[in-house]
Amino acid sequence: QKEVEQNSGPLSVPEGAIASLNCTYSDRGSQSFFWYRQYSGKSPELIMSIYSNGDKEDGRFTAQLNKASQYVSLLIRDSQPSDSATYLCAVNPFNAGNMLTFGGGTRLMVKP
Amino acid sequence: DVKVTQSSRYLVKRTGEKVFLECVQDMDHENMFWYRQDPGLGLRLIYFSYDVKMKEKGDIPEGYSVSREKKERFSLILESASTNQTSMYLCASSFPLGGVNTDTQYFGPGTRLTVL
Repeated sequence: QKEVEQNSGPLSVPEGAIASLNCTYSDRGSQSFFWYRQYSGKSPELIMSIYSNGDKEDGRFTAQLNKASQYVSLLIRDSQPSDSATYLCAVNPFNAGNMLTFGGGTRLMVKP
Repeated sequence: DVKVTQSSRYLVKRTGEKVFLECVQDMDHENMFWYRQDPGLGLRLIYFSYDVKMKEKGDIPEGYSVSREKKERFSLILESASTNQTSMYLCASSFPLGGVNTDTQYFGPGTRLTVL
């Protein structure tokens, strides 16, 4: 079982819709959770981090964390074609120091 | 602003060559990481360093070595490049534990290495 799981996609949504990206993790003691966006051929860039249960909003992006169910999600409101990218979920497992475990990523396609 | 740079965006080398990939960060970060990223395999950690002259093996260290002589610079070395080391190489850095957002990793632009 992979430690951080994401549906590889592609997830296709029309422009203006809400895109919902999900991630589950296996280490119940994980404390920190991150979403990165990666355009094709580019490096990952940090979108959001979340540390507490609940929602965290930043512009069109909302991260949701549910530690009891061991999942973290990313909602993108008013999706734009420029949001088309691969989204990586990363988790800092318990006792892992500064290490992050990355999911395989979900490819999002926003169609005009 | 966060800044991690890598020495080359694209690199083509021949089998058996010694290859140096360099990463520099200007954020005074303690921790630095080298990953490779391949389609279907995701990001895999090769080596990381939490201090000058300190290094730890990641998940796939075979065929690689690293050097960290200065805090801001972390080099990845392919002692004898092979075709199965063709990949995208990504460097990242972060603050050490104990501070704010210490486990957030910031990535450089990546080096696309092709070994012929």
